[in-house]
Amino acid sequence: SQELEQSPQSLIVQEGKNLTINCTSSKTLYGLYWYKQKYGEGLIFLMMLQKGGEEKSHEKITAKLDEKKQQSSLHITASQPNHAGIYLCGADTPTGNQFYFGTGTSLTVIP
Amino acid sequence: KAGVTQTPRYLIKTRGQQVTLSCSPISGHRSVSWYQQTPGQGLQFLFEYFSETQRNKGNFPGRFSGRQFSNSRSEMNVSTLELGDSALYLCASSLGGGGGYTFGSGTRLTVV
Repeated sequence: SQELEQSPQSLIVQEGKNLTINCTSSKTLYGLYWYKQKYGEGLIFLMMLQKGGEEKSHEKITAKLDEKKQQSSLHITASQPNHAGIYLCGADTPTGNQFYFGTGTSLTVIP
Repeated sequence: KAGVTQTPRYLIKTRGQQVTLSCSPISGHRSVSWYQQTPGQGLQFLFEYFSETQRNKGNFPGRFSGRQFSNSRSEMNVSTLELGDSALYLCASSLGGGGGYTFGSGTRLTVV
């Protein structure tokens, strides 16, 4: 089965600082997704990466997928309190009918 | 368009009881997946339904079951509730499976 390990497990940063969250897979990724979750709520889709070396940005969040398609990083520039939450990476299986989530990274941004 | 709707939002049940959770997907989405989220185990896949058929199942006991109706709405049932079943249950829909899921806000189940 697919295993997705995220690091760090939790992160506390001062507002305005940059930060990076990593997601490492035990197998080649066919589709890598990033979600954000506010405590006790559903997940909000952020970005999807499929091609090796792909990079996507939305506002101050940039996600990259490495060439080997086994690791992805999520970078937040100039963090703000509304960036706080749990960030989860997720991946498809090759058949596309099962989806695995990473272990999650809890982000706290101190004003 | 309306998002994924889960009902109820909160539920308190007693050990041994059973519970049914409901999920209405985005219109046109035929795949519905269920997940259990706990602080200790994170997000774990329960099962996925597509066109009224269970396509895939996670590693949960038979007390956890589900079904999907012809309008793609799905229900999840947990029988003989245990304290450890307390969790946030999330439902997600997509057009045909794959990770482009839209999630509902979840049902917070507390078993006492």
